[in-house]
This record gives sequence, C-alpha cells and structure tokens, in this order.
Amino acid sequence: QVTLKESGPVLVKPTETLTLTCTVSGFSLSNARMGVSWIRQPPGKALDWLAHIFSNDEKSYSTSLKSRLTVTKDTSKSQVVLTMTNMDPVDTATYYCARIQDATMVRGVIVNHYYYMDVWGKGTTVTVSS
Amino acid sequence: DIQMTQSPSSLSASVGDRVTITCRAGQSISSYLNWYQQKPGKAPKLLIYAASSLQSGVPSRFSGSGSGTDFTLSISSLQPEDFATYYCQQSYSTREFTFGPGTKVDIK
Repeated sequence: QVTLKESGPVLVKPTETLTLTCTVSGFSLSNARMGVSWIRQPPGKALDWLAHIFSNDEKSYSTSLKSRLTVTKDTSKSQVVLTMTNMDPVDTATYYCARIQDATMVRGVIVNHYYYMDVWGKGTTVTVSS
Repeated sequence: DIQMTQSPSSLSASVGDRVTITCRAGQSISSYLNWYQQKPGKAPKLLIYAASSLQSGVPSRFSGSGSGTDFTLSISSLQPEDFATYYCQQSYSTREFTFGPGTKVDIK
C-alpha cells in the first residue's frame, strides 16, 4: 500500500523558515520516472503547486516562489523535504505531498510520458503568525 | 507558466443529472491534463489522467475528453458522493505543474 505522510510545525512566525517532511512508504524514491510534488491550499482557496523532485533528482519550482523554495530527497530514509524561507501570514495553508506517477503511452514511434499525482498525503496545516 | 481556467466556477445540480465541467489551457498542452476531486477537509483524489484515462477504482460515470487547449470532465449521472470541488491540472510543462481554480459542484 502506497502512503505519504506530511510532518512539520503547526505554527511558524513571520520571517522564519518552514521545513516540511514527506515520508513515503510502499514505493521507492529511486523508482524510474517517479517523483513527489508539494502542493498547498490556503483556507477556502484553490490548490497551488509548489515544487517537485523526481527519482533522477530533477527538481522544479513554482515561478512565483522559486527564490524561497528548496526541495531535496533522502532515498534511504524515504523522505522528501521542502523548505520555504521568509514565511508570511499569506503562506498559511494546508500543505500536501503527492506521488508523481508516469503513464507511458506509445503511438507508433512516439513515446509520451504523462505525469499525474495519484496518491496524496492527508496534508498538514501550517499557520504563520507572530 | 501555463495558465489554466475552469468554467463554471460553481454549479448546482441534482442527483441523476449529467454534469460537464470545462478546463482551458493558456497554450496547447496536447493530452497532458489531469482531473482531481476534492471533498471538504480531505486531500484531492485523482479521477482522470492523460485527459481521458480513468484512474483505477474511479466509477465509470466519470469521463474526460479533449486535447490541445480545451478539455471537459463529465459525470454521466451525479451521485450524492460526487458533490465536491473539481480541479484540472496540466503536466505538459514538467517544469511547472499548474492547477485550475476549481469548480464546486453542490446540491440544487
């Protein structure tokens, strides 16, 4: 059974750095073309993709938050860590991690990789307040 | 980044109704489009990937179609457990996934 679980502080102060950990089980972070995404959702608002990291260590970040985000993984611990610097009250949200899965579809000589997030953690709520 | 829009932002429907939600990408994304369902206080759940492939375990009343910039999620006969918010998400740009703003489906 594939599971992901987010952990980290419930409350952080403005200007502090947030560190969240996603611990996965049921799959390996070294599996080819697999990865983990971080997504957040402010109260009452839409989903907001933050970053992801693939098994080959390829990393990507939201353009608007790129300067504040870092994502790393420790395959031996089955963990993916997200850090976000200079936290602000507008960063108050539920933070999710999700597994990125790949569906490979072949049409003739063309091979397409379709990525999607198939298993999500339950999320962890982070409040930014002094 | 690729902008995603959805319409309507909300809709009211009755059990048994056919419901269609539209998602539009700011540029062509081929079939790199996924759909998720989210219920209050819960994590999103994958329904459809690659525009039209039904995720394992998802009821067949859900279907997806489209390619390029315009996509639809259809629910053939709305059930009580389908009242939720639905999000589309593009994975054409693996550099930056983006979600649509969501469509809330509630009871008429």
